[in-house]
Amino acid sequence: DAKTTQPTSMDCAEGRAANLPCNHSTISGNEYVYWYRQIHSQGPQYIIHGLKNNETNEMASLIITEDRKSSTLILPHATLRDTAVYYCIVRVRKTSYDKVIFGPGTSLSVIP
Amino acid sequence: EAGVTQSPTHLIKTRGQQATLRCSPISGHTSVYWYQQALGLGLQFLLWYDEGEERNRGNFPPRFSGRQFPNYSSELNVNALELEDSALYLCASSLMNTGELFFGEGSRLTVL
Repeated sequence: DAKTTQPTSMDCAEGRAANLPCNHSTISGNEYVYWYRQIHSQGPQYIIHGLKNNETNEMASLIITEDRKSSTLILPHATLRDTAVYYCIVRVRKTSYDKVIFGPGTSLSVIP
Repeated sequence: EAGVTQSPTHLIKTRGQQATLRCSPISGHTSVYWYQQALGLGLQFLLWYDEGEERNRGNFPPRFSGRQFPNYSSELNVNALELEDSALYLCASSLMNTGELFFGEGSRLTVL
């Protein structure tokens, strides 16, 4: 079973920030939070990951709460091309034979 | 740098036949993951190979099998095909000591 819960769907106006929440209340100390997205019928794409600190890259920002039980992926200026299913997963980053389980994700619709 | 490549892109089989899907990971990646994504559904974890060994397996019957070759490429075999095996089969690769998965564009299997 997936270790995360996410809203089923969200809408965001084009040009506005999209904030996608993820709950991972049972996260272990050595588990990282990863975000991926899947644009219709394509392979999922890695976005960002983090352990404790907030992270930012050219695609998005990741905000992790101090207790690490939840996180938010922020797309600062959403475009129509950001319409996709966004997956939040947690896993150990170093050598581990755990399954990488994807939940149903959040279907983000960016509206013109 | 070439990404994860999968072949064939599309495959049509009839019930009872066997299907073989192939995956070439990113150069230097030793781990290969297989996922099944039925139409409109999420990613279901199938198999994980690393360094030629099967490391973990999802809740699929034994007729789903695979292997990883010395060059780290991988093959997924589905025997005794059933209609419900129709799906997009996604392959991902990663370095064993990191968590980022890089996905191919998938092989779409249709069972008639």
